[in-house]
Amino acid sequence: AQTVTQSQPEMSVQEAETVTLSCTYDTSENNYYLFWYKQPPSRQMILVIRQEAYKQQNATENRFSVNFQKAAKSFSLKISDSQLGDTAMYFCAFMSYNQGGKLIFGQGTELSVKP
Amino acid sequence: ETGVTQSPTHLIKTRGQQVTLRCSSQSGHNTVSWYQQALGQGPQFIFQYYREEENGRGNFPPRFSGLQFPNYSSELNVNALELDDSALYLCASSLESSGREQFFGPGTRLTVL
Repeated sequence: AQTVTQSQPEMSVQEAETVTLSCTYDTSENNYYLFWYKQPPSRQMILVIRQEAYKQQNATENRFSVNFQKAAKSFSLKISDSQLGDTAMYFCAFMSYNQGGKLIFGQGTELSVKP
Repeated sequence: ETGVTQSPTHLIKTRGQQVTLRCSSQSGHNTVSWYQQALGQGPQFIFQYYREEENGRGNFPPRFSGLQFPNYSSELNVNALELDDSALYLCASSLESSGREQFFGPGTRLTVL
């Protein structure tokens, strides 16, 4: 069975600084997706970034980038130039190609951006 | 383009009752997935519906059931409610059953007393 682990329950960062959120996962599969989702206090889950396991290049979306280490089964999220609106719960998630639609989430990291 | 909507926003039930939660998928999306998010936890996959058929199920008992309608909206039904069913229920729609891009609704907060 696949598992996703986020070892940092809470983190804080000063506005405009950079922060990295950690995620590790366990799977025996070779073809899968990894995601970072953001859940602000409004509760709506928003996709931040997606990585396909077969791609060696790390995904980037504006201020958000990942460090994908397939052999180590590690998938960290770096947020540059942190903004107050980045304050939210961040969830790392895994999805196998063979189980389309079934996202497996970690426990989440609560990020606070301080002015 | 209308996003994913869910109703009701909040709901309070008592043990043993039955509940129906509703989800309208994003325009053009034919796939809906449902998740249960207990307080302080990550969401857990309940099941997925693709073109009106169940297309995958997580580790939830049969008293959790669903439907998808021809317009691709969906319902989640929970029978014989238990205290542990108290959670935020999220639905997510996607353009295809691969689910590589799921758009989530705001959720329904269910409290079981």
